[in-house]
Amino acid sequence: GEDVEQSLFLSVREGDSSVINCTYTDSSSTYLYWYKQEPGAGLQLLTYIFSNMDMKQDQRLTVLLNKKDKHLSLRIADTQTGDSAIYFCAETYGGATNKLIFGTGTLLAVQP
Amino acid sequence: DSGVTQTPKHLITATGQRVTLRCSPRSGDLSVYWYQQSLDQGLQFLIQYYNGEERAKGNILERFSAQQFPDLHSELNLSSLELGDSALYFCASSPTGTSGYEQYFGPGTRLTVT
Repeated sequence: GEDVEQSLFLSVREGDSSVINCTYTDSSSTYLYWYKQEPGAGLQLLTYIFSNMDMKQDQRLTVLLNKKDKHLSLRIADTQTGDSAIYFCAETYGGATNKLIFGTGTLLAVQP
Repeated sequence: DSGVTQTPKHLITATGQRVTLRCSPRSGDLSVYWYQQSLDQGLQFLIQYYNGEERAKGNILERFSAQQFPDLHSELNLSSLELGDSALYFCASSPTGTSGYEQYFGPGTRLTVT
């Protein structure tokens, strides 16, 4: 079944690392994505990982995938106030469609 | 700027009315997706088109329909509008319709039904 869950809220201090978690239920997921949504704005693609990878790093962002536990995380190093936003994880299954199944979103609040 | 454009940005209309939302994909992208974001349902996939043909359907109501034109722009038609249809409607595009490609989102159309 299609179900992606995230914790609702995370608060960190500027300069600390943030870790946003996501769990999914369908083991046939092939690609997993992280999107960022700032207030009143659209969805910005941050990064994505293929399901046969364990880790992907892109500048301040590190994605970890534990396929056995169906757990995905996004770590943001040296978190800045500009990182305050809602973060969504999303999965897609492969095959003839690329439709995204989104998680509930995590609101990241960065305190100065 | 993702390269995906949506018009209008805001739309206010009354119950029972019909509206059309428009989306232009990124240059070169053949596939267009529509998503609805609301407080109670979150972000939900509605429908996907690839090169003019419907590719996948999600939780799209029968009152809603979409199409993709030869120039690849897409329109989402919402009819017999209800208060519960108030939401942000996003369009996204990708190079192909299959999995494994990045999907870029437009800025959205905020629909308010009064």
